Amino acid sequence: GQQVMQIPQYQHVQEGEDFTTYCNSSTTLSNIQWYKQRPGGHPVFLIQLVKSGEVKKQKRLTFQFGEAKKNSSLHITATQTTDVGTYFCAGETSGSRLTFGEGTQLTVNP
Amino acid sequence: NAGVTQTPKFRILKIGQSMTLQCTQDMNHNYMYWYRQDPGMGLKLIYYSVGAGITDKGEVPNGYNVSRSTTEDFPLRLELAAPSQTSVYFCASTPPGQETQYFGPGTRLLVL
Repeated sequence: GQQVMQIPQYQHVQEGEDFTTYCNSSTTLSNIQWYKQRPGGHPVFLIQLVKSGEVKKQKRLTFQFGEAKKNSSLHITATQTTDVGTYFCAGETSGSRLTFGEGTQLTVNP
Repeated sequence: NAGVTQTPKFRILKIGQSMTLQCTQDMNHNYMYWYRQDPGMGLKLIYYSVGAGITDKGEVPNGYNVSRSTTEDFPLRLELAAPSQTSVYFCASTPPGQETQYFGPGTRLLVL
């Protein structure tokens, strides 16, 4: 079945440093979504990428979808303590079913 | 709109007991999902439904059952609870024509 791998599993940064998490799928995706889960909370939708090579920005967050539609990345510039949480990518192949990566847990030291 | 609501928030079960986790959404979403999330892990799809009266298995359906008699409700039934079912359970829904999933607050289940 489809697998979505995400690295790194954990990332500790000092406030102000940049952060990147990478997502790779074993199959070509129709779209990829990113979610953020705060400690003790539930996943919250951040963004969806659909087109090959697509790049989207949300303030300090930059999302990329690979040309082959099998990989994606999330980059945060100048992290803040409010960025703490686990970031999940989720790939959709068909039928509105998502396969989630294992997530990257980000901690930010003030 | 209250969004996606789940009850209970937390439950302790003994091995072999059964229970139903409730999930309700008031947004007229057609797609609904049940996931489990083990500590430090991602979300695994248990069951999903594309509309009232239609359900299908996800990645980890064993030990669970679902029903979808109305658009709003999608309960998850655990029969003969086992320690391996200790997890956080999330319900999610998707509006027609979209792929974004909206998650409920989760139910934390401990089976002892």
